[in-house]
Amino acid sequence: DGGITQSPKYLFRKEGQNVTLSCEQNLNHDAMYWYRQDPGQGLRLIYYSQIVNDFQKGDIAEGYSVSREKKESFPLTVTSAQKNPTAFYLCASSTGTGDNQPQHFGDGTRLSIL
Amino acid sequence: AQKITQTQPGMFVQEKEAVTLDCTYDTSDPSYGLFWYKQPSSGEMIFLIYQGSYDQQNATEGRYSLNFQKARKSANLVISASQLGDSAMYFCAMRESGGYNFNKFYFGSGTKLNVKP
Repeated sequence: DGGITQSPKYLFRKEGQNVTLSCEQNLNHDAMYWYRQDPGQGLRLIYYSQIVNDFQKGDIAEGYSVSREKKESFPLTVTSAQKNPTAFYLCASSTGTGDNQPQHFGDGTRLSIL
Repeated sequence: AQKITQTQPGMFVQEKEAVTLDCTYDTSDPSYGLFWYKQPSSGEMIFLIYQGSYDQQNATEGRYSLNFQKARKSANLVISASQLGDSAMYFCAMRESGGYNFNKFYFGSGTKLNVKP
């Protein structure tokens, strides 16, 4: 089945450590996104990519980095510069064209600090 | 300015009754799309319904309908015959068609719906 796979489901980070969240899609979508969600809050855009080898900062990019070397993959690294990384992270993808196409989401990764 | 505004942080509805979740948006782009998503406590985002800016009729999908008032820039979600399984967070989102960031989606802060038995 086509979809988006995020891994791991749960992740723990030690102080000063970088961690990478995986996001893979087999929907042949051009655009991919990373969102952060804090408890009881809405989605905040971290980074998004409209095409391979290109990405733009979202509203809260500080302390995060991404790469888009392949169409299917859009990993997110939470660096040690992100002082409050505990949150639920959602990856999404969408087609590059077509107003009526929604975003498809993965099941999310819950990141906590040890 | 906020692109998407959801003014109801939380709402209660009695099972089997209808409920309306409010959403207003702000854009100068003549072409845009509006989306509603449901997020249960498990965290996944479920796409519910879409309304295009040029659509003449309100969108409907089963028990979900969208009350689209373009002049007021509102896109309220109506859930008919509420069920206990409808208890979740609901997000309104918009995608603009013009400009370089045409693949960017804007989300509201969400409304937490609780359906009472």
